[in-house]
Amino acid sequence: ETGVTQTPRHLVMGMTNKKSLKCEQHLGHNAMYWYKQSAKKPLELMFVYSLEERVENNSVPSRFSPECPNSSHLFLHLHTLQPEDSALYLCASSPQVAIWDRDYEQYFGPGTRLTVT
Amino acid sequence: AQTVTQSQPEMSVQEAETVTLSCTYDTSESDYYLFWYKQPPSRQMILVIRQEAYKQQNATENRFSVNFQKAAKSFSLKISDSQLGDAAMYFCAYRRLIQGAQKLVFGQGTRLTINP
Repeated sequence: ETGVTQTPRHLVMGMTNKKSLKCEQHLGHNAMYWYKQSAKKPLELMFVYSLEERVENNSVPSRFSPECPNSSHLFLHLHTLQPEDSALYLCASSPQVAIWDRDYEQYFGPGTRLTVT
Repeated sequence: AQTVTQSQPEMSVQEAETVTLSCTYDTSESDYYLFWYKQPPSRQMILVIRQEAYKQQNATENRFSVNFQKAAKSFSLKISDSQLGDAAMYFCAYRRLIQGAQKLVFGQGTRLTINP
């Protein structure tokens, strides 16, 4: 148990569906992240939230909409996805850190395997 | 922009032997952190080892050690006495901070197979 949970673990959706991925961390962290992991590509950072404020948005299409209602929860709302969006979506969390802090490990959830048909 | 390159898509090693996974990176920063993450078939990303760039001493964690060459921007991972449980995808990552949060830039990964 890493302290970061993701639901659902598997999701199959049509291109016209609307669904949401949920991430929850029980570690008292203040920063949360969404990554996309596609086959044969490096993990891509999608969004970063620090103290519930979005601080990074890596040119992600608007059909992906993140939400961070509090420091323990992170959502990724999905709308009119494309087949190329099929991937493993990983959530992670970490403490808020100063540049010289040592306790800065990112803890990852188990991921949601998304298939868009 | 920072980039991370892992030039070995796949590696295999005999159980109990030693294997080295390569990683190079590109950055203009002088102080940063580097990581190796392991992703077994369960897909859980697990931190294996970290290295602070300002430290000249190579990090070690039990059977895992790194060879950090700052001038060459190289950060290889050595696994000694390989075990079947070491079979996984291994990702090298570079970290920079954004307003107290972290931005991890990952390499493409190396799939490690352990032969019994």
